[in-house]
Amino acid sequence: EAQVTQNPRYLITVTGKKLTVTCSQNMNHEYMSWYRQDPGLGLRQIYYSMNVEVTDKGDVPEGYKVSRKEKRNFPLILESPSPNQTSLYFCASSLEGTRPTGELFFGEGSRLTVL
Amino acid sequence: AQSVTQLGSHVSVSEGALVLLRCNYSSSVPPYLFWYVQYPNQGLQLLLKYTTGATLVKGINGFEAEFKKSETSFHLTKPSAHMSDAAEYFCAVTYTNAGKSTFGDGTTLTVKP
Repeated sequence: EAQVTQNPRYLITVTGKKLTVTCSQNMNHEYMSWYRQDPGLGLRQIYYSMNVEVTDKGDVPEGYKVSRKEKRNFPLILESPSPNQTSLYFCASSLEGTRPTGELFFGEGSRLTVL
Repeated sequence: AQSVTQLGSHVSVSEGALVLLRCNYSSSVPPYLFWYVQYPNQGLQLLLKYTTGATLVKGINGFEAEFKKSETSFHLTKPSAHMSDAAEYFCAVTYTNAGKSTFGDGTTLTVKP
């Protein structure tokens, strides 16, 4: 089954404790992206990757890191989480990485709470 | 910078009534426009998209949207609401810089029996 898989789905952590949210897609998509969803703010793009070894900042990259060493994986790293990073995170992928017309396929989301 | 405005964070309709969810975008170049739906505790899924060609776009579950360049709008409609349409709906835009996508704040649709 074609899917985008995120782990963990739920996580409660404490300020400053490094964490990684994994994202994997099995559709051989070139493009992958991370978003955070907050009430009343919609989805805001954190980072995106047009292809392996190519990443770029979205609208809210502060406090996050990403890497794209393999086509299928795009982990989101919070080196020193803070309470304002409490949010619902979505990973998405798209086949048409170099053209803007492709639809995004989303994972089911990872709800992160930072105490 | 690209931006998307969804008018009305909450819309309530009766079952069988017309659904109209509004989306306006800002752009100095031709946009590519999308509507996504999010059901509770799920990720987003595509309803429909406009890239080029016909300005009236049909999507899944009976939804359609019309791209109006003069009004910079891409409103989502469905002639007759069903209870299963209750969800949050997001309008999104991308441009020739394929990497960046901008989403609206979302509209929660409630369908009353």
